[in-house]
Amino acid sequence: NAGVMQNPRHLVRRRGQEARLRCSPMKGHSHVYWYRQLPEEGLKFMVYLQKENIIDESGMPKERFSAEFPKEGPSILRIQQVVRGDSAAYFCASSLAGGAHQPQHFGDGTRLSIL
Amino acid sequence: GENVEQHPSTLSVQEGDSAVIKCTYSDSASNYFPWYKQELGKRPQLIIDIRSNVGEKKDQRIAVTLNKTAKHFSLHITETQPEDSAVYFCAASGRDDKIIFGKGTRLHILP
Repeated sequence: NAGVMQNPRHLVRRRGQEARLRCSPMKGHSHVYWYRQLPEEGLKFMVYLQKENIIDESGMPKERFSAEFPKEGPSILRIQQVVRGDSAAYFCASSLAGGAHQPQHFGDGTRLSIL
Repeated sequence: GENVEQHPSTLSVQEGDSAVIKCTYSDSASNYFPWYKQELGKRPQLIIDIRSNVGEKKDQRIAVTLNKTAKHFSLHITETQPEDSAVYFCAASGRDDKIIFGKGTRLHILP
């Protein structure tokens, strides 16, 4: 029973490039959450998605950031025209059903470094 | 929106002693409070959670208490062991289904 799978584990991009982060939820989970973690800090909510729907994107910057969770395939967090300040660990979590009363299980994260 | 404060930011305890981490939340509608443990370079792992219809929950050496009136909740680890060294995050969620995390407590278990 595979857990939440994120790839790549590490991603290096130059300023101005695009970063694509992938997340496959646990088997049977249809709700996905993305969080951002800066060094020595907590997890900041970015976006909550169900299959083909964005439920809450209030934590995601309006510009350059987008997320999707298509009917088939993993959830994608996309960052366009990356800047140094985008360097962080990005974690994905999934839950069995909607609502935050459902335990969220995290992936190993993608560590994004911007040169 | 919800705001979660966590104290202390760093905590050192002698192996075998108890550790207590405290959190407060702002939204009285919050009703789910998970705790996560994160080891260096690894994923956050859910270690215990509590819902607002109970005041205390225990799982072996770990216990969590909740005071809804005061909007406080705490994590207690007894008989600490070296493998308990990690960063611990409290969190709260409620009306808008988001989980809001505290900034974390770095726990050091001293030999």
